[in-house]
Amino acid sequence: AIQVTQSPSSLSASVGDRVTITCRASQGIRDDLVWYQQKPGKAPNLLIYGASTLQSGVPSRFSGSGTGTDFTLTISSLQPEDFATYYCLQDYTYPPTFGQGTKLEIK
Amino acid sequence: QVQLQESGPGLVKPSETLSLTCTVSGGSVSSGTYYWSWIRQPPGKGLQWIGYIYDSGTTNYDPSLMSRVTISLDTSKSHFSLKMRSVTAADTAVYYCARGGLNGKATTFDYWGQGALVTVSS
Repeated sequence: AIQVTQSPSSLSASVGDRVTITCRASQGIRDDLVWYQQKPGKAPNLLIYGASTLQSGVPSRFSGSGTGTDFTLTISSLQPEDFATYYCLQDYTYPPTFGQGTKLEIK
Repeated sequence: QVQLQESGPGLVKPSETLSLTCTVSGGSVSSGTYYWSWIRQPPGKGLQWIGYIYDSGTTNYDPSLMSRVTISLDTSKSHFSLKMRSVTAADTAVYYCARGGLNGKATTFDYWGQGALVTVSS
């Protein structure tokens, strides 16, 4: 199975900060990478698919980039509701595999 | 608006079979467009895909779970189900059902259920 490594595993930031989370795949996955946001006690919420396509209804402060093995999720100006755990998912091949998550906390 | 809702026992004994159902409303499970997956998350840990079923009855499972898992579809009742045999404490998790198929990718999940906690304990 393709391994997906997220970094950092946790991150402290302030409202208004620009934040970047990265995912690295153990082999090339084209642009078949998805980003989710998960809040405590809730199901994951789709943010970005195809590495860079913003899901309908997701604020434009979220953006994704990358291809091949290295990908980033950027939040341009953190809002209070953005403090959550973020997961990437490779859906290039089976089984699809998630990164281990990045917990974004308030500084 | 599509909604998914998991249901089933919250407590299962070791070595027995875990059974969950996901009821889909606001859309059809037999549209020929979507793939219906189960995903789990042990308490405080990350996410693991379990498998999916397509409306033709085609299934695909995570190889590490394949020997113990069956996913089935009941189009007349708009639900799909998960059975996991011979469970152990390591199978304790929140189990999510989810819809895949966005962007033509079976495992890009755009709608999720709220999740059902299943605890394996005697």
